[in-house]
Amino acid sequence: SYVLTQPPSVSVAPGQTARITCGGNNVGRNNVHWYQQKPGQAPVLVVYDDSDRPSGIPERLSGSKSGNTATLTISRVEAGDEADYYCQVWDSSSDQDVFGTGTKVTVL
Amino acid sequence: EVQLVESGGGLVQPGGSLRLSCAASGFSFSSYWMYWVRQAPGKGLVWVSRINTDGSSASYADSVKGRFTISRDNAKNTLYLQMNSLRAEDTAMYYCARKADDSNYGDYWGQGTLVTVSS
Repeated sequence: SYVLTQPPSVSVAPGQTARITCGGNNVGRNNVHWYQQKPGQAPVLVVYDDSDRPSGIPERLSGSKSGNTATLTISRVEAGDEADYYCQVWDSSSDQDVFGTGTKVTVL
Repeated sequence: EVQLVESGGGLVQPGGSLRLSCAASGFSFSSYWMYWVRQAPGKGLVWVSRINTDGSSASYADSVKGRFTISRDNAKNTLYLQMNSLRAEDTAMYYCARKADDSNYGDYWGQGTLVTVSS
């Protein structure tokens, strides 16, 4: 089945930049979406269709894609960015949605 | 304001059944596809199922195919997940989410309902 691989953890100092990757076959051919999940809370959409942001999401969070790897970049990291982040794509061949393995962002 | 409220979770024995509900408000429920997504304790998000606007088409993750059935009642603005032959590995928080109308992502999520499968 389709697998989206993310690094388990990323650590970053306040004010620095965090980059979270999401890799998998066919990522390049599918729209990638990103969610933020804080402990005890439901996921929140932060980037959709590779690089678009829903209203209310700060510009510090941005998405990009190159080949079969998508990247969520968090600039000027703040303590409030500490959370788990998941990528997601729809696999057209199986008509199933798939989430990435998840990345825990720790703000030092 | 879009609201999704899940209910129906609880403790069930292996092999048992449970039906989850997701009550929707604040939007035209019948116009949107819907998702179920689950998360085992301490683990990542896992997509479970998706249903189209009138309930005539659904997709399932391989891990639940043949055991779970997604359905909806547009008159009641409610999404359902019928779960049969439950296993310990089905223990998770179950979230419903609204699928965006122009792409394949969940733009609004409920707070979840916890299902525990244990003897």
